[in-house]
Amino acid sequence: QVQLVESGGGVVQPGRSLRLSCAASGFTFSHYGMHWVRQAPGKGLEWVAVIAYDGRNEYYADSVKGRFTISRDNSKNTLYLQMHNLRAEDTAIYSCAKDYLGGGWELGAFDYWGQGTLVTVSS
Amino acid sequence: QSALTQPPSASGSPGQSVTISCTGTSRDVGGYTYVSWYQQHPGKAPKLLVYEVSKRPSEVPDRFSGSKSGNTASLTVSGLQAEDEADYYCISYAGGNILLFGGGTKLTVL
Repeated sequence: QVQLVESGGGVVQPGRSLRLSCAASGFTFSHYGMHWVRQAPGKGLEWVAVIAYDGRNEYYADSVKGRFTISRDNSKNTLYLQMHNLRAEDTAIYSCAKDYLGGGWELGAFDYWGQGTLVTVSS
Repeated sequence: QSALTQPPSASGSPGQSVTISCTGTSRDVGGYTYVSWYQQHPGKAPKLLVYEVSKRPSEVPDRFSGSKSGNTASLTVSGLQAEDEADYYCISYAGGNILLFGGGTKLTVL
């Protein structure tokens, strides 16, 4: 069965960096675009970033552009999110999500999500 | 860009139908057929209900249906059941290689 397991969250001071990982299994990872989505405590969902199945294209929400980098290692079936210059407003549960269809990340259709990893930005 | 606009809450009695709206602009909801809907129960991962405005994954009951008119997309839940009580989110492609979620709607089954 499909599994997405995030790790790397924690408490970090403003301005510092953190790298999240998402280990994927149960499907052909290299065939699907992958996304990061975050949810601040008690708040709604916010799309963060997407990376194409082959890693050639990546796109970001305006709120994280220039500070976050999404990447993937298809040989390790792992998705990453490198976060720099973290701010208090980045505090959230970060979840990875798999594209429902092999092509067309623009659909915003994700069929599997991880349970998320909590990032807390606080001094 | 701002989040898409959803009503904070909606409610209905068992067996009734409820429609949740998702309002954007011509640059997002109105400009593309790329609208999806999710259901999220507390502490759980979101579940895909509808994609491309009105298509349903095979495992989603046909009680859930999507539509769009102009800049507003809608999710209708027919034959409300107790287990439909959850938060619902829309998401749309917004051009410029960006996806936007709605603020979410809490559905209460009375």
